[in-house]
Amino acid sequence: NAGVTQTPKFQVLKTGQSMTLQCAQDMNHEYMSWYRQDPGMGLRLIHYSVGAGITDQGEVPNGYNVSRSTTEDFPLRLLSAAPSQTSVYFCASSRDGRIGVGYEQYFGPGTRLTVT
Amino acid sequence: LAKTTQPISMDSYEGQEVNITCSHNNIATNDYITWYQQFPSQGPRFIIQGYKTKVTNEVASLFIPADRKSSTLSLPRVSLSDTAVYYCLVGDRTEDSWGKLQFGAGTQVVVTP
Repeated sequence: NAGVTQTPKFQVLKTGQSMTLQCAQDMNHEYMSWYRQDPGMGLRLIHYSVGAGITDQGEVPNGYNVSRSTTEDFPLRLLSAAPSQTSVYFCASSRDGRIGVGYEQYFGPGTRLTVT
Repeated sequence: LAKTTQPISMDSYEGQEVNITCSHNNIATNDYITWYQQFPSQGPRFIIQGYKTKVTNEVASLFIPADRKSSTLSLPRVSLSDTAVYYCLVGDRTEDSWGKLQFGAGTQVVVTP
């Protein structure tokens, strides 16, 4: 299994550009999520999905869109990049994200995004 | 919101035991407590998970008191490679967000020779 894969590894955008960060998992996990991590900070939840066709907002959703058309893929779209979105983005998946059900999240290697 | 509180940093010497306590006063009745480890430039990695009392695996132990309002991650005989940030994670159970999992600020553990 490849686990959780993310592309690209690095990206530089200009303010106002849009792009999509790709995330895929091959473990047939129902739950997938996106986090951002600013330098020296903890992870903040952007969006999450508890299954194909179902998405919901996390702690910091503004400026980002997600969709979940398949179990395997969970792309994150930046609508109009801003310098405040400079960060490292991590995608994660879990067998089941329901509260009360024991779960382990598997994280991808991250995408380092710089917005100038 | 279920929220966790951890010490910002802890220092230790090689071979010592490190104990990190996480406070989670509002944990839901049926939620688990999960700990992750993160090295620089990498995604977090699962360490251990528990619901009550004590859980032990080959890496760490997790102690959870009866009231479940806190938990303690114990790393036995740490080495330099255990230098990392450690996160305590609980769920955020509300009627419309049963899948929202949020990290706290984490504890930076530095192990020196």
